[in-house]
Amino acid sequence: GAVVSQHPSRVICKSGTSVKIECRSLDFQATTMFWYRQFPKKSLMLMATSNEGSKATYEQGVEKDKFLINHASLTLSTLTVTSAHPEDSSFYICSASTVGGADEQFFGPGTRLTVL
Amino acid sequence: QKEVEQDPGPLSVPEGAIVSLNCTYSNSAFQYFMWYRQYSRKGPELLMYTYSSGNKEDGRFTAQVDKSSKYISLFIRDSQPSDSATYLCAMKTLMYSGSARQLTFGSGTQLTVLP
Repeated sequence: GAVVSQHPSRVICKSGTSVKIECRSLDFQATTMFWYRQFPKKSLMLMATSNEGSKATYEQGVEKDKFLINHASLTLSTLTVTSAHPEDSSFYICSASTVGGADEQFFGPGTRLTVL
Repeated sequence: QKEVEQDPGPLSVPEGAIVSLNCTYSNSAFQYFMWYRQYSRKGPELLMYTYSSGNKEDGRFTAQVDKSSKYISLFIRDSQPSDSATYLCAMKTLMYSGSARQLTFGSGTQLTVLP
């Protein structure tokens, strides 16, 4: 149980285009989803926290107009990188969690974004 | 000063060795402690989840928490080449009912177990 999927696993796009990444909790309802960014050999950097049905809370320094997050249902959150540039190339990872109990976060397999 | 400090390594050990991975933290509000394993280009996988000070064992893995010293450890016994990965410690404050709590991660320790 507690499986989180991400799609696509890898995407290459041209500079200036927008890319949408989906995060799904496959076997549980996720009241909260988190989006992280990870650079090579670095730790996970939290970008934003989203609760189902409400606006995402962005970490300091993360542009909310550039990284659009939608959490429309208890099993799906999307991250859209708008007008992507090469510096947005990174490994994006989502996690999903439920409120209560152990409040454990389950991570997706990540999406490798390369912007040319 | 970072809230969570972790030696990034890299750490190389021979197969069968006991591995000790450590993190220190400065925020006494952290109450829940986790260890994640991350293989290259994959998402983190939860290994251990602890709350109390003391030891928690799961197979070859033992998590140790010392809240008085703000120090946590992960021990891997009889290490295997398949244990080669990056190990991330993570921690969070007490939960509240409004939303799941954020995790604060260490920088990760890259471990290689040599056959």
